[in-house]
Amino acid sequence: DTEVTQTPKHLVMGMTNKKSLKCEQHMGHRAMYWYKQKAKKPPELMFVYSYEKLSINESVPSRFSPECPNSSLLNLHLHALQPEDSALYLCASSHYGEQYFGPGTRLTVT
Amino acid sequence: QQQVKQSPQSLIVQKGGISIINCAYENTAFDYFPWYQQFPGKGPALLIAIRPDVSEKKEGRFTISFNKSAKQFSLHIMDSQPGDSATYFCAASRSARQLTFGSGTQLTVLP
Repeated sequence: DTEVTQTPKHLVMGMTNKKSLKCEQHMGHRAMYWYKQKAKKPPELMFVYSYEKLSINESVPSRFSPECPNSSLLNLHLHALQPEDSALYLCASSHYGEQYFGPGTRLTVT
Repeated sequence: QQQVKQSPQSLIVQKGGISIINCAYENTAFDYFPWYQQFPGKGPALLIAIRPDVSEKKEGRFTISFNKSAKQFSLHIMDSQPGDSATYFCAASRSARQLTFGSGTQLTVLP
């Protein structure tokens, strides 16, 4: 089983809202990722967690705040987003470099 | 040094034809080369991957050809079907670290 689940599937939020995206995997993978993807573009890496510790932050604005509560869960907390943050947010996990993506959360910021 | 260049940007193939997508990389330290298939509104799905110790890998209708000296790799889809219509991304990584993606190819297979 190579399933990564993400909730919610769709999210519409105003610029003053606070919301969270959730990701879960039960494959025992010790690396988890958040990506942002705009239409017709490749995924753009935001954060990498390795063994539940943040190992890479690709200069992401502080209005995005990741959290890894345990080895199976990854959250992305959102606050004071801008309309240009509207995108598909993808979670992934990996094992020896093989990365498996979740279905994504389609985020619209109004 | 980290770039992966993918071509063509879009590809139209007749049903039953062969679809070929090419990627070139610069960083000789890359040691893992996957291809992802993405349907609209869905996450990328790992399709097939290769490591540089082999020159070709085949899984069903999908084949990766790898040329280490030319620093190029390609995806061949044999007997292309309308259900293969999707965006395909090549990628590369070094020592199981983060992926560097190509720009993507939008494949349309006409019935």
